[in-house]
Amino acid sequence: DTAVSQTPKYLVTQMGNDKSIKCEQNLGHDTMYWYKQDSKKFLKIMFSYNNKELIINETVPNRFSPKSPDKAHLNLHINSLELGDSAVYFCASSQQTMNTEAFFGQGTRLTVV
Amino acid sequence: AQTVTQSQPEMSVQEAETVTLSCTYDTSESDYYLFWYKQPPSRQMILVIRQEAYKQQNATENRFSVNFQKAAKSFSLKISDSQLGDAAMYFCAYHGGATNKLIFGTGTLLAVQP
Repeated sequence: DTAVSQTPKYLVTQMGNDKSIKCEQNLGHDTMYWYKQDSKKFLKIMFSYNNKELIINETVPNRFSPKSPDKAHLNLHINSLELGDSAVYFCASSQQTMNTEAFFGQGTRLTVV
Repeated sequence: AQTVTQSQPEMSVQEAETVTLSCTYDTSESDYYLFWYKQPPSRQMILVIRQEAYKQQNATENRFSVNFQKAAKSFSLKISDSQLGDAAMYFCAYHGGATNKLIFGTGTLLAVQP
């Protein structure tokens, strides 16, 4: 039973398109995140939600819009995709205490052509 | 702002040998946690080990142990009896009390030679 699942695993799309990545966790965690891993493998947080409320927005272009319909789901919608958006996007979840590990989804490799 | 630095982009170790991966961090917080995550070619992020800053005792998980030097802000990972399955990218990460997020280092790619 997958703890944090993301769909799709791979996404290839043309510049200018709009796409969404879905994330669901079955761990009962309060906090969910989106991280971006670039081509050099650097991982950086994009957004963090706690109980459906946005608590971190790390200077991400407003073409990226997270949506959390409930605390088990955090989706990422991207408008007007650009070549530079190509990356691996990870969803993660944790309890809202810093001593607990973050559980990561398997990542979505987005390629913009 | 907190930062995490991994100065070794790549490391190599012979099977059954021991290797140490370095990590330093910068913070003004007194309460925080440090983690090592492993990312194999499958892309999955896997927690290897965690360390509470208030604990002087170094964390250990089977073949994995850390050398935590709080004053020096250093948090290295030692892998003993290296196995082929240990080959992966290893990320050091910091989680402080002020913000609810993990801050990652740039990673160290570990190769294990048979």
